[in-house]
Amino acid sequence: GNSVTQMEGPVTLSEEAFLTINCTYTATGYPSLFWYVQYPGEGLQLLLKATKADDKGSNKGFEATYRKETTSFHLEKGSVQVSDSAVYFCALSEPGNTPLVFGKGTRLSVIA
Amino acid sequence: SQTIHQWPATLVQPVGSPLSLECTVEGTSNPNLYWYRQAAGRGLQLLFYSVGIGQISSEVPQNLSASRPQDRQFILSSKKLLLSDSGFYLCAWSVGTDSSYEQYFGPGTRLTVT
Repeated sequence: GNSVTQMEGPVTLSEEAFLTINCTYTATGYPSLFWYVQYPGEGLQLLLKATKADDKGSNKGFEATYRKETTSFHLEKGSVQVSDSAVYFCALSEPGNTPLVFGKGTRLSVIA
Repeated sequence: SQTIHQWPATLVQPVGSPLSLECTVEGTSNPNLYWYRQAAGRGLQLLFYSVGIGQISSEVPQNLSASRPQDRQFILSSKKLLLSDSGFYLCAWSVGTDSSYEQYFGPGTRLTVT
C-alpha cells in the first residue's frame, strides 16, 4: 500500500540555520505530495504542495521538489526562525477519492 | 471562502461517560470529511471518513462512531469513553480538484478522559 516515511525528530536548530526534513514515499500511482505544519495546540495547515514530478512547491520560505526518480519530497528552508518551531507532516494523495496518507511527523525546535 | 469549525475546543470527561464532538464546514458543497486522533507527541490516526451524507468508512475498530446527518456536518461519538480515548481530535475536509485532494483541518478538540 501507499506509505510516507519521514526522518525522525526532534530536530533542533539554531536560528538562521539551514533546514532539511527528509520525506520519501511509496505509491502505486502518481500521487500529489504535501507538507503540512502544526503549531502547538493547533490544527494542521497546508504549507505547500506539488502535483507532478519535478514540480517545486514553495511557501513562507519553505520549498520542496517532487522527485519521482528518488520518490522523495524533502522540505527545505534556507534560514529558520524561532517561529518555525512546529511539527511538520509529509503526506501524499493518490488521484481519486481517498484520504491522504501522512508520515509520522517531525518536530522542529528552533532556538535563538 | 471555506471555513471549518469544531467544538468544543477542550473537554474533560470521566471514564464511561458519552462523547459528542461536532464539526461543520462552511463555504463548500459535498466535501469529503475526516476525523483524526492525535495522541500526545504522536502522529495522526485516521478514524473515519465520509464521502457523502450517511456514508461512513471506519479505519480503526474501537468504541467510537461517526455520523454525517447533513452535507457539511460530521459528528464523532462514543457511548462510553475509555482512558485511551484521550487525545487531540481533528476534523478535516477536502474537495478534489484535478489530481489533488489536499485536506483542510479544523482547530481541533482537546479531550482528556479522567
